[in-house]
Amino acid sequence: NAGVTQTPKFQVLKTGQSMTLQCAQDMNHEYMSWYRQDPGMGLRLIHYSVGAGITDQGEVPNGYNVSRSTTEDFPLRLLSAAPSQTSVYFCASSYSMTGLGEKLFFGSGTQLSVL
Amino acid sequence: GENVEQHPSTLSVQEGDSAVIKCTYSDSASNYFPWYKQELGKRPQLIIDIRSNVGEKKDQRIAVTLNKTAKHFSLHITETQPEDSAVYFCAASTSGTYKYIFGTGTRLKVLA
Repeated sequence: NAGVTQTPKFQVLKTGQSMTLQCAQDMNHEYMSWYRQDPGMGLRLIHYSVGAGITDQGEVPNGYNVSRSTTEDFPLRLLSAAPSQTSVYFCASSYSMTGLGEKLFFGSGTQLSVL
Repeated sequence: GENVEQHPSTLSVQEGDSAVIKCTYSDSASNYFPWYKQELGKRPQLIIDIRSNVGEKKDQRIAVTLNKTAKHFSLHITETQPEDSAVYFCAASTSGTYKYIFGTGTRLKVLA
């Protein structure tokens, strides 16, 4: 198993550009989520999904869109990038969709810079 | 909403000493408390977790304690080694919310 795969690893955007961060998992996990990591602020939840066709907002959803058309993929879209979105982005997944709390498997991260 | 505070933000210990990191959560309904370790440039990885029906859990040199009344939980690392140097994150989750709220992290340095 490859686990959780994120692409790209690095990306530089200009303000106003759009892009999609890709996340795929091959563990048949129902739960998938996106976090951003900023210095001194830990990991903050952007959006999450408990299964195909089901998504919901986390702590910091503004400026980001998600969709979940398959169990394997959970892309994160930036429609109009802003410098405040400069961050490291992590995708994470887990087996459970019951909400009882389970181990999260993280991807390797995407370092995004918005100029 | 749920908030998790983590202290200290940095911690330096001599090799062989113990390290303790503390977290406080705000939602009394929280019932799952994981700890993640992130080495420099790497992804976070789960090292230990505890549920609210247990007061303490150990795994070799690592232990986590939970005080539900005070709403805080702690990570204890004994006999620290240089490879324990990393950033450690605590988190809290409540059944049915599907959200994991993380603390701001503690950078642990183990000095040889």
